[in-house]
Amino acid sequence: DTEVTQTPKHLVMGMTNKKSLKCEQHMGHRAMYWYKQKAKKPPELMFVYSYEKLSINESVPSRFSPECPNSSLLNLHLHALQPEDSALYLCASSQAPGQGIEQYFGPGTRLTVT
Amino acid sequence: GESVGLHLPTLSVQEGDNSIINCAYSNSASDYFIWYKQESGKGPQFIIDIRSNMDKRQGQRVTVLLNKTVKHLSLQIAATQPGDSAVYFCAECRNRDDKIIFGKGTRLHILP
Repeated sequence: DTEVTQTPKHLVMGMTNKKSLKCEQHMGHRAMYWYKQKAKKPPELMFVYSYEKLSINESVPSRFSPECPNSSLLNLHLHALQPEDSALYLCASSQAPGQGIEQYFGPGTRLTVT
Repeated sequence: GESVGLHLPTLSVQEGDNSIINCAYSNSASDYFIWYKQESGKGPQFIIDIRSNMDKRQGQRVTVLLNKTVKHLSLQIAATQPGDSAVYFCAECRNRDDKIIFGKGTRLHILP
């Protein structure tokens, strides 16, 4: 199984809502990532988890809260988002920290904030 | 500003011809350069990488060239097929750590 799955595929939420994005992989990878991708732009790194611990936070606003419950799961909790946070949110994994060149990406969750 | 970028936003190539996608980078300290392919509705997919101490690396139907003198990276796709239609991102990685910085992307159109 070389797949990274993400749910939901699409999400529409209001600025006062609380929602969560979920990501799962069963490749035994020990590094997991969240990226944000705006239309016609490259992915931008948000967070990196190494061995279930947060290792990189790219100065992401606190309205985005990541969580890694176990080595297979990665969540992104959303609260009080702004319309400019509308984007494609991509999850990725790689075999281990320090081997982040080859990352496996999920299809993303397309988020719309109204 | 961004340390990795691309020369052309769109490239159209006849099916069966070779494609060359170019990328310029500015950080000579990067250790690895990577190409990713993103098809519509999908996440990026790793294609090939090259270490900074190499100038050429070949994969299946793809070749990556690195010219450190002019800080230029290219991806050559042989015998371009309809399935090659996608946005191609070059990226750099420093010291094999977990942070990949993506360039702006080139959309490859395949003409029948």
